[in-house]
Amino acid sequence: QMTQSPSSLSASVGDRVTITCRASQDIGDDLGWYQQKPGKAPRRLIYKASSLQSGVPSRFSGTGFGSEFTLTISSLQTEDFASYYCVQHRFYRTFGQGTRVEV
Amino acid sequence: QVQLQESGPRLVKPSETLSLTCNVSGGSIDIFHWSWIRLGAGKGLEWIGNIHSGGRYTYNPSLNRRVTMSVDTSKNQVSLILHSVIGADTAVYYCARDEGGGGWLYWGQGILVTVSS
Repeated sequence: QMTQSPSSLSASVGDRVTITCRASQDIGDDLGWYQQKPGKAPRRLIYKASSLQSGVPSRFSGTGFGSEFTLTISSLQTEDFASYYCVQHRFYRTFGQGTRVEV
Repeated sequence: QVQLQESGPRLVKPSETLSLTCNVSGGSIDIFHWSWIRLGAGKGLEWIGNIHSGGRYTYNPSLNRRVTMSVDTSKNQVSLILHSVIGADTAVYYCARDEGGGGWLYWGQGILVTVSS
């Protein structure tokens, strides 16, 4: 089970944003972060907990190992307003509940 | 560039069977796993299961009894069948190439399937 928080947050352009996921058991680094915008397929941002997907801006970063993970957006941009999901790949695949980042 | 495209009926009656196909182009489906994932209205993403090109599969335990996946390597296609659908199965269904611990880089655009009489 993946517990993601917060479920939503309000932020402004330039803000630093942090989203957290907690796994119910040790998953090592088998965790990814995805961004999803309405009407679009999810986009992989981070894989293996901290590896930045090629083409993703460096303002996105992931940290963590074991059961606690964090996605940070260092300076929020207009195009970053979206929903974000963590997902573990160690035991089946389980998504967090999602975080909606709003203006 | 690998591309995935979901297809199938967009309206299914309750208690009937949902059947979708994912056509893969730009690369072979061989050696990879292929996942089905859905996004329900007002809900988050849910992993339905995956299947290897060789036929070995793993399903989400919460849907296990109703899900069947298959592959057709000659057509470079992956299929999903969901039996005995209910309203809660209304969702956008995605297929994606499963890279194990690396997650999914390649996704289809998704197909909205509505369960309604």
